[in-house]
Amino acid sequence: SQQGEEDPQALSIQEGENATMNCSYKTSINNLQWYRQNSGRGLVHLILIRSNEREKHSGRLRVTLDTSKKSSSLLITASRAADTASYFCAGLLGANSKLTFGKGITLSVRP
Amino acid sequence: DVKVTQSSRYLVKRTGEKVFLECVQDMDHENMFWYRQDPGLGLRLIYFSYDVKMKEKGDIPEGYSVSREKKERFSLILESASTNQTSMYLCASSFGLGTLEQYFGPGTRLTVT
Repeated sequence: SQQGEEDPQALSIQEGENATMNCSYKTSINNLQWYRQNSGRGLVHLILIRSNEREKHSGRLRVTLDTSKKSSSLLITASRAADTASYFCAGLLGANSKLTFGKGITLSVRP
Repeated sequence: DVKVTQSSRYLVKRTGEKVFLECVQDMDHENMFWYRQDPGLGLRLIYFSYDVKMKEKGDIPEGYSVSREKKERFSLILESASTNQTSMYLCASSFGLGTLEQYFGPGTRLTVT
């Protein structure tokens, strides 16, 4: 079953603009993670936010978590063409290490 | 650098064949995972393993089995390949229990004809 549901499904922006991607989830989580996937490749971990955190930054990435609304957002500032990829949110449930992924958002950054 | 490798990038098999997909990680991770990825469906967990010789079913285990004889190697087996198993297969590993991220291999694109 899908834990995360990303929104929008696809996003197209101009280089230099900010990209905001949203994720909603269904059940309580220990943490929420965001991953990037370049076309035809494996996923790469971007950032992790724990359930007791509200906001986290890593370089041009900013992620927020609202556990009351069961939602998270990923902001990429000053986007670059190299940010073109699919982005997935994934929730970690319980004490084990099983992640449940959303269906992904396709981000296109136009040069 | 963390590294997860998969035995093939592309694989073409015939219906009914037994197919082995191999995954190796060099980070001494306890946990290993097999996912399949299909357009519009995202990643779905097939099987995972917390330790050598241990395995747990994921969300879509039907038609698959796994083997973990050594800590660094996790194999996915399609007992009798079918066309609906045509997909991208992704292996991942992670350290210990709890909150850490998963490291993914490059994926194997399997086509069953």
